[in-house]
Amino acid sequence: AQSVTQPDIHITVSEGASLELRCNYSYGATPYLFWYVQSPGQGLQLLLKYFSGDTLVQGIKGFEAEFKRSQSSFNLRKPSVHWSDAAEYFCAVGAGEYGNKLVFGAGTILRVKS
Amino acid sequence: SAVISQKPSRDICQRGTSLTIQCQVDSQVTMMFWYRQQPGQSLTLIATANQGSEATYESGFVIDKFPISRPNLTFSTLTVSNMSPEDSSIYLCSVPLRESDNEQFFGPGTRLTVL
Repeated sequence: AQSVTQPDIHITVSEGASLELRCNYSYGATPYLFWYVQSPGQGLQLLLKYFSGDTLVQGIKGFEAEFKRSQSSFNLRKPSVHWSDAAEYFCAVGAGEYGNKLVFGAGTILRVKS
Repeated sequence: SAVISQKPSRDICQRGTSLTIQCQVDSQVTMMFWYRQQPGQSLTLIATANQGSEATYESGFVIDKFPISRPNLTFSTLTVSNMSPEDSSIYLCSVPLRESDNEQFFGPGTRLTVL
C-alpha cells in the first residue's frame, strides 16, 4: 500500500532563512507526488507536483521540490522564507488509475520567526 | 481551475444525530472525492463519488456510516450518520477537472464538532 512519511511535525525557521521539508514515500510504481499547503482557516492549495520528466520541480510562491527515486524522497525547499509561509504543509502521493486518489503524509507545521 | 463550495462551513452536533454536507462545483466533473481530517492529523480519503454509480469506499469507511449521493456532475453530499465525538473532523471534498487529471482542487472544508 502507498504511504507517505513526513518526519518533522514542527519546523521553525527565521524569516529570510532557507527551508527544507522532508517527505519520503512508499509506492510500487512511478509515483505522482504533490505538495499542498494549508493555511489557518483556509483550504488546501497545490504548491507543486511531479509525475515525470525533470526531477526538480518548480512551484508557486517560490517553492521547489526534488524527486529522488533512489531515496524515495520528494523534499520541498525554499531559499528564503517569508512570514506568510507559516502554514501546514502536506506531502501526498497519488494512487489509483490516474493518480488522483491522494494518500497524505501527516503534515509539517512551519513556524516563521522574525 | 475549479471553484468549490461546501455547506455548512461548520456545525456543532449532538451524538446520535446525522449531518449532511454539501459540495458544489462550478463546472461539471466526473469524479469527486471526500476526505476527512481529524484534529491534528492528516487527510484520509473516505470515498470516491462518480455520477451515475455507487460511491467507492476506502478501507475503514462504510456506506451505512457515510452515505454519499452524486445526483449530477456538479454536486455531491456526504452524510455523517449516527455521529459520535470521534467523528469530529474537517470534511473536505475535492475534484480533478478531468477524470485523468492528477491535480485536484479542494473545497474549503466543513468543520464538524460532535458533543
